[in-house]
Parts: sequence; structure tokens; C-alpha cells
Amino acid sequence: AQTVTQSQPEMSVQEAETVTLSCTYDTSESDYYLFWYKQPPSRQMILVIRQEAYKQQNATENRFSVNFQKAAKSFSLKISDSQLGDAAMYFCAYRSEGNDYKLSFGAGTTVTVRA
Amino acid sequence: DTGVSQNPRHKITKRGQNVTFRCDPISEHNRLYWYRQTLGQGPEFLTYFQNEAQLEKSRLLSDRFSAERPKGSFSTLEIQRTEQGDSAMYLCASSSRPGQSYEQYFGPGTRLTVT
Repeated sequence: AQTVTQSQPEMSVQEAETVTLSCTYDTSESDYYLFWYKQPPSRQMILVIRQEAYKQQNATENRFSVNFQKAAKSFSLKISDSQLGDAAMYFCAYRSEGNDYKLSFGAGTTVTVRA
Repeated sequence: DTGVSQNPRHKITKRGQNVTFRCDPISEHNRLYWYRQTLGQGPEFLTYFQNEAQLEKSRLLSDRFSAERPKGSFSTLEIQRTEQGDSAMYLCASSSRPGQSYEQYFGPGTRLTVT
């Protein structure tokens, strides 16, 4: 079974600054996908960014980028130029290439943005 | 495309009662997933459907839980003889075919409180 660990329950960032969220995972598989999802308070979860394990290049989506270290099984999310709307719970998730139906989530990191 | 919808958004019930939740996926999405999220934790996979076939069930899904997707469109999740430990957010997600990497789109969830 795959486990996903997010060791930071809470992170705080000043508006316009940068924050990095950590995620590590445990797997014996070589092909898989990693995701960061954002869950704003009382709103639905949305996908922020996706990384395919076979790609060495780190994914980037506007102000969001990842640092994918496959050997270290690490997948961190960097939010640049933080905005008030970035305040949310962020979940790291793993999906196997073989069992392609199931997302395994970490416990989440709550991000607060200070004006 | 109006996104994944779930009804009701909130449900308060007394222990021992039966409850049923509904999920309407994004139209033409052939996969539908149910997850459970307890306070302060990430979602946990419960079950998924491909069209009308239920293909996988987590061991979290005790025999008091049943899910259906009778015509391959909407799905229902029923919990019989509710217990206080069933209190959680129940999330539904849907996804399309491999061409879009089975990206899962989540609904707003149904929050169940068992008193």
C-alpha cells in the first residue's frame, strides 16, 4: 500500500511571498502520478498541479511549481507570489499507474495568507 | 458542464437511522468515485464505478454501506444503521477516459453528522 506523508499541518505566508509545502510518499512502483489538490474552506477540492513519475521535468502551473525528487520520493509544492485566495487546505496525493482508480491522500497542510 | 454535484450538502441524523446521498457526475464521465474525509484528514477511497459496474470496494466500506450507479449516470451511497463513527464528509468524484489521465473532479461533498 502506498502512504503519503505531509509533515506540516499548518503553514503561514505573507501576501506576495513564497511558501513551500512538503510531501513524501512510499511506493515500490516505478510508474505513478502525483498531485496537489487545493480545498478552500467549505468549497470543493480542485486540482492544482500534476506530475507524471516518468517525466524528469518538474511541472509548473502559473504561480505553482513542484520539486519532484523521484529517488528521494519527495514531491514539494511551491506557491510563489502568494495571494489571499491561496488560503486553503492543500493535499498531496498519489495514484498508481496500475491501480489507476484510487487516489491516496496525505493528511493535508493548512495554508494561511497574511495581508 | 456544471461540475460534480452532491445532495444533500448537509445531513444530520440520529444513530441507527439510514441515510442516502446522491452524486451527479460530470456528464459523459464514465468513472465515479466515493471518498470519505474525516476532520483534519485527507480523503480515503471507498469505492468506484466504471459505467454501472462497481469495480472496487475498500475494506473501509463495511456491510452497512452500499453504493449503486444503476444507469451509469448518477450514483447513490446508502449507510444503514448509522453510527457516530460514520460522521464525516462524503466526497464524490468523476473522471473521463485515459486520454485525460483519469483526472478526478470532485464535488462539494455531503457532510454527515450522526448524533
